[in-house]
Amino acid sequence: DAKTTQPNSMESNEEEPVHLPCNHSTISGTDYIHWYRQLPSQGPEYVIHGLTSNVNNRMASLAIAEDRKSSTLILHRATLRDAAVYYCILRGPISSGSARQLTFGSGTQLTVLP
Amino acid sequence: NAGVTQTPKFQVLKTGQSMTLQCAQDMNHEYMSWYRQDPGMGLRLIHYSVGAGITDQGEVPNGYNVSRSTTEDFPLRLLSAAPSQTSVYFCASSYSRGLAGQETQYFGPGTRLLVL
Repeated sequence: DAKTTQPNSMESNEEEPVHLPCNHSTISGTDYIHWYRQLPSQGPEYVIHGLTSNVNNRMASLAIAEDRKSSTLILHRATLRDAAVYYCILRGPISSGSARQLTFGSGTQLTVLP
Repeated sequence: NAGVTQTPKFQVLKTGQSMTLQCAQDMNHEYMSWYRQDPGMGLRLIHYSVGAGITDQGEVPNGYNVSRSTTEDFPLRLLSAAPSQTSVYFCASSYSRGLAGQETQYFGPGTRLLVL
């Protein structure tokens, strides 16, 4: 899977929107952009994914740049419970069992201030 | 659905002891895997299985064995624990959606292991 680059940490105030950036300049045309998060002392949790168009679900929105070299995870109203490490991961075509693993980088530690 | 469950939550072992970390899922997922996460680091794949009776090695398989006799269960065995195996272990499962790159994985709550 191609590499992603994220800021090490970000802060947000409670009930304000949060924009978490991810750069993936070497993304290929068949790579999906996935976001997972890991709350303290818990396992990773799927948040959202997309290919080209912006995506919305009950947890967040994903905005994908037109050239697909970057994307932004948007939490519309951050809560204290959203404090976590957020991982941006590219998933290419799955051709074998080993290709189904997720490759986690260091992610972005989001701190939500009350 | 309970999702992915793991037992125990915490375990302390002495060097050389053996133990089995249990993982079960009730979503009929064909793919299951084990990761370990060391402090301040990302997850690394230990072993994975694409279906009952089929297992393979991941990035860091040494010191661990797995088996997959049923779709639901995927235990991880430490035959002779070493301090280097002190870590948090996560089990995950997923199913093929038939669309490349869209597969999402479901993780268990983790087992925290300390080897003295």
